[in-house]
This record gives sequence, C-alpha cells and structure tokens, in this order.
Amino acid sequence: SQKIEQNSEALNIQEGKTATLTCNYTNYSPAYLQWYRQDPGRGPVFLLLIRENEKEKRKERLKVTFDTTLKQSLFHITASQPADSATYLCALGYGGGKLIFGQGTELSVKP
Amino acid sequence: GAVVSQHPSRVICKSGTSVKIECRSLDFQATTMFWYRQFPKQSLMLMATSNEGSKATYEQGVEKDKFLINHASLTLSTLTVTSAHPEDSSFYICSARDRATGGPLYNEQFFGPGTRLTVL
Repeated sequence: SQKIEQNSEALNIQEGKTATLTCNYTNYSPAYLQWYRQDPGRGPVFLLLIRENEKEKRKERLKVTFDTTLKQSLFHITASQPADSATYLCALGYGGGKLIFGQGTELSVKP
Repeated sequence: GAVVSQHPSRVICKSGTSVKIECRSLDFQATTMFWYRQFPKQSLMLMATSNEGSKATYEQGVEKDKFLINHASLTLSTLTVTSAHPEDSSFYICSARDRATGGPLYNEQFFGPGTRLTVL
C-alpha cells in the first residue's frame, strides 16, 4: 500500500542546534518533493522544492536532501531558533500540481 | 506577492444548511486551484483539483454532489458544502498555482489561511 511517514513523534531540540526531520515513502514515484511549514490554525507555507533528479537544495538555514533510491527526504534547519517551532509537512508532487502530504512533524525549539 | 485569501475564516452552521467558501489569488492568476481538508492532528487530504473554466476533478471517496466546486475566473474558486453535517466539520484549505511561473510540473503552490467549518 502507499504510505508517507514523517517522524512519528514531536521533535524537541535546543536553540542553536540542527533539527533534522525525515520523510519516508513507499509505493510512490513523485516527480518532486516539497516541504511546508504550518502553524496552528493556519494554511501551510512553502519552504523548499526538490526535484527527482536533484540530491540537495539549500535556502538560508534550510537544507533538504532527496534520495529516490531510499525513497527518503531529510529536512534540516541549522542554528534553530524558537521561532522555527511549528509543524513541518512533506509533500510528494506529481504532474498537474497534485500534492500528497505526510502527517507532519511537530518541532519545538527551546531557548 | 503570491497571496491567497479565503473567506470566511471561520463559519458555524446548523446541520442541513449549505456553506460556501471562497478562495482568491490576490496578485496572480491561478489556472489551477486545489481544495484540501484537514482534520485535527492529521495531514492535508486533497479533495479536488479545480481548473478555470472546466469541471473539477475529485479524489476518490469525495462526493462531487456534496462538495460543489466552481472555478469561474483565474482568481476565484469556490467550494460549497451542501447539506452540511457534523462529520463535515473540518479545516478547509485551498491552494493555487501561479500561471506565469515556470513549467507545469514544478510550480510551488500558495496556500490560503484556511476556513474552519463547524456544523452543529
């Protein structure tokens, strides 16, 4: 069956450390993968997109990797700050813009 | 740029009534808009894909007669929940793709702030 799994538990880290979130999937072949941030009661906000032929993408303190052999994406936030606390969603992308979302990982950064 | 708005942000209605939710792209034209539903502590579930000027494409298990979608212009799509029942209570979120940005496969999507529907 098709499945997308993110870190099953909430992630608690200390300010200044690197947060690493995982997204694993089975029985999907996405053309690209996206990461979003969602705050409580709000819509998701786009962070990064990585295509199937790309290994790594960076944007400021964010880094995402994409391994289509392992069917896994890792999302890193370096020098984390309390303002980074939110739920992070990975989404598999297909032609036509269709996105299939994981259940999200709640990140809490403590000062 | 790339702002998507939704109206209303919150609605409470009685069982059996219909509710219309609007999704607007404020500063870009969106050929495609998407409607999602999110239950508490769960992921976003795609309900339907809405293309301007044509009928929406619904995901498996989503009743097209219950969730009416209209995409009459490049900046507006509406979702009408007909004869709403308590089990339809959820967070409804739309997203839009910018017509002008890049190729069809890799456009990022811009999400609205969501509409909280509570059916009593």
